[in-house]
Amino acid sequence: AQKVTQAQTEISVVEKEDVTLDCVYETRDTTYYLFWYKQPPSGELVFLIRRNSFDEQNEISGRYSWNFQKSTSSFNFTITASQVVDSAVYFCALSEARNYGQNFVFGPGTRLSVLP
Amino acid sequence: DSGVTQTPKHLITATGQRVTLRCSPRSGDLSVYWYQQSLDQGLQFLIQYYNGEERAKGNILERFSAQQFPDLHSELNLSSLELGDSALYFCASSVYPSTDTQYFGPGTRLTVL
Repeated sequence: AQKVTQAQTEISVVEKEDVTLDCVYETRDTTYYLFWYKQPPSGELVFLIRRNSFDEQNEISGRYSWNFQKSTSSFNFTITASQVVDSAVYFCALSEARNYGQNFVFGPGTRLSVLP
Repeated sequence: DSGVTQTPKHLITATGQRVTLRCSPRSGDLSVYWYQQSLDQGLQFLIQYYNGEERAKGNILERFSAQQFPDLHSELNLSSLELGDSALYFCASSVYPSTDTQYFGPGTRLTVL
């Protein structure tokens, strides 16, 4: 069965610090997709990134970067020079490839507080 | 704004009642998903529809049902409501039914008193 673990329940940093959010997943499939979503205090879920299991290239988007390592089943998310607006709950999610539908599992989330 | 709309935004009702939550997917998306987010259970996948057909089922109670209509909007029906059903209910949509990125609506906050 698939599972996503985000061991860090809450993290607090001071503005401009770098912070890494950990995500470890379990799946028996060789083809799968990993996602990060952000849930700010307003409550909506905002899509950040999607990565397939065959693409281990790290990705950078502005202050955000993602490190995907199949060897350790991890898909970590780093925010560089954090800002107060980054305060949110961040969810890692896993989807296994299915022809009929999508089996989508979220991790428990990490609450990030960025203090001014 | 993801393009997914959900109504109502808030709903307050009593135990034993029945409610209907509505979702309109992004233009062009054929697949709709429903999730429940509660403090103790986190984000739980309930059910998925693709072009009117049920495609995947998660932890959905028998008291809950859903459907997707020909115009692709979806409704989630919750009946015989219990206090524990109080939660944020999200709808998401995607183009394809499998492994596609899901875009989430703003959610409906249900409070059962």
